[in-house]
Amino acid sequence: GAGVSQSPSNKVTEKGKDVELRCDPISGHTALYWYRQSLGQGLEFLIYFQGNSAPDKSGLPSDRFSAERTGGSVSTLTIQRTQQEDSAVYLCASSEGLVPYEQYFGPGTRLTVT
Amino acid sequence: GEDVEQSLFLSVREGDSSVINCTYTDSSSTYLYWYKQEPGAGLQLLTYIFSNMDMKQDQRLTVLLNKKDKHLSLRIADTQTGDSAIYFCAEGKAGNNRKLIWGLGTSLAVNP
Repeated sequence: GAGVSQSPSNKVTEKGKDVELRCDPISGHTALYWYRQSLGQGLEFLIYFQGNSAPDKSGLPSDRFSAERTGGSVSTLTIQRTQQEDSAVYLCASSEGLVPYEQYFGPGTRLTVT
Repeated sequence: GEDVEQSLFLSVREGDSSVINCTYTDSSSTYLYWYKQEPGAGLQLLTYIFSNMDMKQDQRLTVLLNKKDKHLSLRIADTQTGDSAIYFCAEGKAGNNRKLIWGLGTSLAVNP
């Protein structure tokens, strides 16, 4: 079946512009995660959605970052007034919420802020 | 605090065994995972172990867990060039918040 998809695959934007990154999780997966992976770094947790519960936003680095998940499916990560330090690969993952809570990752969006 | 540590690089010869080590700090972790990230590909779950287990074997992979020392290892037997990748250790807990704590990843280079 279809895996997790993300769009765009690459995004180049100018400093100060807003960007929207999209994630389509695997159908039926109740959990959705956003991570950031900078060059040479591990995965930095950003935000987690689980069903209808309030999202865990504890990893969002600043109030310029926000995310929503509409209808329990597609999610959009928005970065306002982008800065050069926002350049990274943004990864989305989904999980069906059953043991062992395996996360299925999308290919990522590579964001470059010039 | 929560932290997962791994060595950043490992180089082995083809056919040798590889051992990738990981230490974690949260003794209440319930699940420990190894994910693999191949060049140009997404992250994929390689294997996992529950915290009440000491060892798990799956074909060429052996996971060892020492809860007392909070030490996790992944052994790859007969390492092949196709095993070259970055290996991430992650810890998680049961409950509603299944956010994982990730290590920085170990880059495994397999030399022919």
